[in-house]
Amino acid sequence: RKEVEQDPGPFNVPEGATVAFNCTYSNSASQSFFWYRQDCRKEPKLLMSVYSSGNEDGRFTAQLNRASQYISLLIRDSKLSDSATYLCVVSLFSGSARQLTFGSGTQLTVLP
Amino acid sequence: ETGVTQSPTHLIKTRGQQVTLRCSSQSGHNTVSWYQQALGQGPQFIFQYYREEENGRGNFPPRFSGLQFPNYSSELNVNALELDDSALYLCASSAGRDSGNTIYFGEGSWLTVV
Repeated sequence: RKEVEQDPGPFNVPEGATVAFNCTYSNSASQSFFWYRQDCRKEPKLLMSVYSSGNEDGRFTAQLNRASQYISLLIRDSKLSDSATYLCVVSLFSGSARQLTFGSGTQLTVLP
Repeated sequence: ETGVTQSPTHLIKTRGQQVTLRCSSQSGHNTVSWYQQALGQGPQFIFQYYREEENGRGNFPPRFSGLQFPNYSSELNVNALELDDSALYLCASSAGRDSGNTIYFGEGSWLTVV
């Protein structure tokens, strides 16, 4: 079983649509949670951190449920520029090293 | 721009050869991690360096090794290259190991092993 599992995708949605990504993680010792965005052949970039209280950044809303070890990302009013791969990421300490564990990513294509 | 620079950006090596990838971390960042991203997968943690010491390692064989220098720049060395080593290698730096420190990725080095 993978440590971080995401919806397989790909997601193809029209502009203006709302799209939701789900993710589960297996290590209950995970401490921090993130969504990263990765454009084709580029490095991952932090989209937002995820907190149990839920957090919103413009059209993006992230939610964490520690009890069920579940993370979500909601994108409202999709734009063409949102097309990318979205990576669910958890952070934990392995020994004294802070390690990020990534899901395999979900590809989103927003269509005109 | 994250301030993390990697070199080379692309390279092709032959199976069995050795490769060295370099990373210059953002100014003031004493923690550098390396990740391998195979096609269609998320990045996988290789190891982390903190103040010139390796302080954590993922599930990678010993032929993957590294260094961190006094200026906190870093190298990733891979010996006896295998075809499966073909991947994007990402360097990430942060101002420390605490969870509150944001991690910044470089643009990566694309390695192709033929």
